[in-house]
Amino acid sequence: KQEVTQIPAALSVPEGENLVLNCSFTDSAIYNLQWFRQDPGKGLTSLLLIQSSQREQTSGRLNASLDKSSGRSTLYIAASQPGDSATYLCAALGDSNYQLIWGAGTKLIIKP
Amino acid sequence: KAGVTQTPRYLIKTRGQQVTLSCSPISGHRSVSWYQQTPGQGLQFLFEYFSETQRNKGNFPGRFSGRQFSNSRSEMNVSTLELGDSALYLCASSLEGGGQETQYFGPGTRLLVL
Repeated sequence: KQEVTQIPAALSVPEGENLVLNCSFTDSAIYNLQWFRQDPGKGLTSLLLIQSSQREQTSGRLNASLDKSSGRSTLYIAASQPGDSATYLCAALGDSNYQLIWGAGTKLIIKP
Repeated sequence: KAGVTQTPRYLIKTRGQQVTLSCSPISGHRSVSWYQQTPGQGLQFLFEYFSETQRNKGNFPGRFSGRQFSNSRSEMNVSTLELGDSALYLCASSLEGGGQETQYFGPGTRLLVL
């Protein structure tokens, strides 16, 4: 049974710092790995989707990597800004049942 | 292009009642997925509808059901509500679904069961 873990549960850093959020999964049989952000009172916004055959994806200041063999994905945020404050969730899509299994999220606070 | 809309945004019900939530996907999207988010269990997949057919189903009791109409709008129904059904219910739409492409989420319906 797939389990997705995100550590730490919360992170507070000063504005301008580069930071890394971690996501680990127990079953390497995934179709893709997805990163989302959730702002209070709002739904989720898809940030990056990495296919199982890919190693990384980039969008602006965000870069996500995927290492299936070690069951890990990281989300790198460059030059963090207060607007990046949100909860970041990762989710793994099983390659047999095509259901997203979600991590509990990392609550990120960027201090001005 | 209008985003995914969900109605109502907030709902208060009592145990034993039933509730229907609605989701209107982005125009042209044929897949609608539903998720439940609670502080204890986090986000969990409920089901996915594509072209009016349930294509995938998570591990939830039969009290949770849904349907999709010919215009791709979807409804989710929960019967015989329990306190543990209090949650944020999110729907997401995509072109072809199956979790293999970017999903666009609505703002959610927050359900409180008393």
